[in-house]
Amino acid sequence: DGGITQSPKYLFRKEGQNVTLSCEQNLNHDAMYWYRQDPGQGLRLIYYSQIVNDFQKGDIAEGYSVSREKKESFPLTVTSAQKNPTAFYLCASTRTGDKLFFGSGTQLSVL
Amino acid sequence: KQEVTQIPAALSVPEGENLVLNCSFTDSAIYNLQWFRQDPGKGLTSLLLIQSSQREQTSGRLNASLDKSSGRSTLYIAASQPGDSATYLCAVRRPDSWGKLQFGAGTQVVVTP
Repeated sequence: DGGITQSPKYLFRKEGQNVTLSCEQNLNHDAMYWYRQDPGQGLRLIYYSQIVNDFQKGDIAEGYSVSREKKESFPLTVTSAQKNPTAFYLCASTRTGDKLFFGSGTQLSVL
Repeated sequence: KQEVTQIPAALSVPEGENLVLNCSFTDSAIYNLQWFRQDPGKGLTSLLLIQSSQREQTSGRLNASLDKSSGRSTLYIAASQPGDSATYLCAVRRPDSWGKLQFGAGTQVVVTP
């Protein structure tokens, strides 16, 4: 089945630790996105990539980093500089720029 | 800066009643507007996409309208069912932002049997 796979489903971060969230797609989409969702708030864009080896900051990029070495993969690292990382993280991709396809999300919590 | 608002934040209706969900945006210069459904702890599923030149889109029991001049969109769900219980989010895309969306906070819907 074609789609977007996010892993893990749940992730816990200790103080001072970097953690990496995985996002893989087999839809052959060029563009991929990372959004953060907090309770009662809309999704906010962290980073996006329209082509391999290129990515751009979104609205809330501070404390996060990404890479795009392969078309299928767009991992997100939450660094220790992100002081409030607890949130639901969603990865998305699109071919046309119109319809976005989302993964099932990763819930990140702080220990 | 584009602001997207969805009111109410939560809504409960008995089964069979029609649902009306509202979305408003501050900047009428949009490329398109999408409605998404989100089940608890899950990702988003695109329901309807309305281009800026369109007035409405329909899919089965769902109908979405768009009035750019007043900065409003409405999602109608006819004859609601318990399976329609979910959070519904709207999102707008700016003309200069390929694939980047501005989301509302969503309306949480509960349809009671």
